[in-house]
Amino acid sequence: EAGVAQSPRYKIIEKRQSVAFWCNPISGHATLYWYQQILGQGPKLLIQFQNNGVVDDSQLPKDRFSAERLKGVDSTLKIQPAKLEDSAVYLCASSLDGYNEQFFGPGTRLTVL
Amino acid sequence: AQSVTQLGSHVSVSEGALVLLRCNYSSSVPPYLFWYVQYPNQGLQLLLKYTSAATLVKGINGFEAEFKKSETSFHLTKPSAHMSDAAEYFCAVSPTGNQFYFGTGTSLTVIP
Repeated sequence: EAGVAQSPRYKIIEKRQSVAFWCNPISGHATLYWYQQILGQGPKLLIQFQNNGVVDDSQLPKDRFSAERLKGVDSTLKIQPAKLEDSAVYLCASSLDGYNEQFFGPGTRLTVL
Repeated sequence: AQSVTQLGSHVSVSEGALVLLRCNYSSSVPPYLFWYVQYPNQGLQLLLKYTSAATLVKGINGFEAEFKKSETSFHLTKPSAHMSDAAEYFCAVSPTGNQFYFGTGTSLTVIP
């Protein structure tokens, strides 16, 4: 069974630039999560999708972050414009139905200079 | 509000010694509890989970954790540490089984 795929693995940008991350969940998983993991901290949920609908985006900084999950499969997370404090690892995870184990991708490490 | 506290951001043990990683939680309802492991440059991998069945939960790689409601704890243990256990460990709580709240993590170093 293929795992959660994420790309790119690493990204370096300057502040005020835009960046997008892509996630392909495990086939058949209805629930998809995006987490932000700042160095030395645990993952913080940014947004949770159930199929192509948003379940929870209460901690998503909506003035600069956006996410979509078209067709209930792949998802993209965008930051526009980026700030220095956005430097972190962005983790994508998927779950069969939101009430079972979450499977995590390898993450995208973002550095904002 | 739900939260997780992991005592000790860094733990060092000798190879073959007992591993004990501490986790305390607060939750308004009986929660689901999880331990995840993260190896360098990788995503999180589930070690074990508690979902209101047996209070002693056995996971992968010889790890286990005991749910103690009176102490609001879910400490992770392993009788004998291996070099391959060196990693970052995260405790997580989920009040509903759906939304997860992670602790800040404990970095485990195994000394040969």
